[in-house]
Amino acid sequence: GENVEQHPSTLSVQEGDSAVIKCTYSDSASNYFPWYKQELGKRPQLIIDIRSNVGEKKDQRIAVTLNKTAKHFSLHITETQPEDSAVYFCAASIWNRDDKIIFGKGTRLHILP
Amino acid sequence: GAVVSQHPSRVICKSGTSVKIECRSLDFQATTMFWYRQFPKKSLMLMATSNEGSKATYEQGVEKDKFLINHASLTLSTLTVTSAHPEDSSFYICSARMAQSYEQYFGPGTRLTVT
Repeated sequence: GENVEQHPSTLSVQEGDSAVIKCTYSDSASNYFPWYKQELGKRPQLIIDIRSNVGEKKDQRIAVTLNKTAKHFSLHITETQPEDSAVYFCAASIWNRDDKIIFGKGTRLHILP
Repeated sequence: GAVVSQHPSRVICKSGTSVKIECRSLDFQATTMFWYRQFPKKSLMLMATSNEGSKATYEQGVEKDKFLINHASLTLSTLTVTSAHPEDSSFYICSARMAQSYEQYFGPGTRLTVT
């Protein structure tokens, strides 16, 4: 089955700097890659997603890139703010087959003042 | 739109008893619902996939006789943890997907504590 690896597990970034989280996936059939932000005790919130027919997607300070050949995808957060502190999960899914979302292990992002 | 609720939000039960958790899609019909378990400071682990009117598909290592899933309608799925033990204490989260949608909508989670 699908395996999603995520790095780093913890990331500390100075406020205003950029943060990058990287993930790899194993199943070449995966075609949908959502990213979630989760605050303590809360549900995961979708922050951005990308489909396999697109190489890059941007939404304000957040961007995601996908390299299908290498089976890598990354999240970039620019101009980080204190409210960006949270746990971020990458995930992979095969849409229209089993639709299961398989999560990476998560990255705890700390924004330093 | 696309709201998913879970009930209860927190439950404490004694070892050996059973607990039922409900997951509802409030404003859409969910063709598929998923159940996850999340231990403290860990990731979400998929337990099972539930399609309305059919038996749930369980992930490897998840005991189907212990975690009973029922998806009786397009808006309701239930997870029953039978004969609960302290190691079943966890945060249980459901998600729901509507037909032809990429996105899954997550419930707020249920914190189960077994004493």
